[in-house]
Amino acid sequence: KQEVTQIPAALSVPEGENLVLNCSFTDSAIYNLQWFRQDPGKGLTSLLLIQSSQREQTSGRLNASLDKSSGRSTLYIAASQPGDSATYLCAVRPLTGANSKLTFGKGITLSVRP
Amino acid sequence: GAGVSQSPSNKVTEKGKDVELRCDPISGHTALYWYRQSLGQGLEFLIYFQGNSAPDKSGLPSDRFSAERTGGSVSTLTIQRTQQEDSAVYLCASSRGLAGVQETQYFGPGTRLLVL
Repeated sequence: KQEVTQIPAALSVPEGENLVLNCSFTDSAIYNLQWFRQDPGKGLTSLLLIQSSQREQTSGRLNASLDKSSGRSTLYIAASQPGDSATYLCAVRPLTGANSKLTFGKGITLSVRP
Repeated sequence: GAGVSQSPSNKVTEKGKDVELRCDPISGHTALYWYRQSLGQGLEFLIYFQGNSAPDKSGLPSDRFSAERTGGSVSTLTIQRTQQEDSAVYLCASSRGLAGVQETQYFGPGTRLLVL
């Protein structure tokens, strides 16, 4: 059974700092890995999707990396801003099976202090 | 519509009552998912619909939970005889459902259920 872990559960940083959010998963047989953002009281917004054959994806100040063999992914946020404050979740999609259901980590709640 | 919509946005009910949660997926999306987000538990998969195929109900926590998808579009998640542990945010997501394609799931805002 796939398990996704995100540690720490919460993180507080001053504005402008570069930061790394970690995600680990137990089963490397994944189709892809996604990072989502969730604002309080809102749904999830997809930030980046990394295919299993890829090593990283970039979008603006965000960079996500994937090391499938070691079961790890990181989300790098450059020059953090207060507007980046949110919960960040990673999720993996299994390689096999018709069901593309995602297995999520519990998320990291990020607070960027002005 | 532009995105996945869910109703109601909030629902407070008494223990033992039945509730129905509605999801309107993005038009044209054949895949629809229900997830539950409980405090401290993270998101857990409940049920998955893909076109006309039999749904994958492997994530439903008990037989009090059921879901249907009519006409391949709107879905309703029903919880019978609600319990306090059913209190959570219920999220719906949809995707194009294309096989062999790297695609993302688009999430609705969720329904916040509180069972008193």
